[in-house]
Amino acid sequence: AQSVTQPDIHITVSEGASLELRCNYSYGATPYLFWYVQSPGQGLQLLLKYFSGDTLVQGIKGFEAEFKRSQSSFNLRKPSVHWSDAAEYFCAVGLNDYKLSFGAGTTVTVRA
Amino acid sequence: SQTIHQWPATLVQPVGSPLSLECTVEGTSNPNLYWYRQAAGRGLQLLFYSVGIGQISSEVPQNLSASRPQDRQFILSSKKLLLSDSGFYLCAWDGAATAGEQYFGPGTRLTVT
Repeated sequence: AQSVTQPDIHITVSEGASLELRCNYSYGATPYLFWYVQSPGQGLQLLLKYFSGDTLVQGIKGFEAEFKRSQSSFNLRKPSVHWSDAAEYFCAVGLNDYKLSFGAGTTVTVRA
Repeated sequence: SQTIHQWPATLVQPVGSPLSLECTVEGTSNPNLYWYRQAAGRGLQLLFYSVGIGQISSEVPQNLSASRPQDRQFILSSKKLLLSDSGFYLCAWDGAATAGEQYFGPGTRLTVT
């Protein structure tokens, strides 16, 4: 069965420290890959996407993600976290029918 | 630029009452439209999607229905709400040029009492 796994439910990181959020998927083919961020009580905002080509993609707010086919992973990273990065992050995958499957999300807490 | 609106922002309804949530998109034509539900502490569950006027696909059998009476309008309805219908409802759109790249509305928080 197709699935998206975000192994970490909650991560706490100090302001200024680096952040890495994990995402693994299980699909027969290479899907489209996305990371979204959701602030409390808000809709989701697209951070970045991977369709093809360069496996390291840059997004908004200083985020980047790397697609690793051999590991079926699409991990999100940020070198230096700001307090405003506290939010919930969702990995999503899509196939040619445009529908997206979302992971359960990772909540990021930033401590001063 | 494109914008997506949802209303109401919050809603408290008793069990057994009807529901109507509305979503509209501006600045684009013939979008694909989606309704998701997000339960507390959980990810997003796709409820319905639509690729055109009057075309609705249901992903999960449930107490809800959807309609698309106009190109950029998507409505989520229920005749009788259940407690389990409580959650955060999100509408999203994407277009042929941005396949799979969905843009979300601000959401509606529904509490069924």
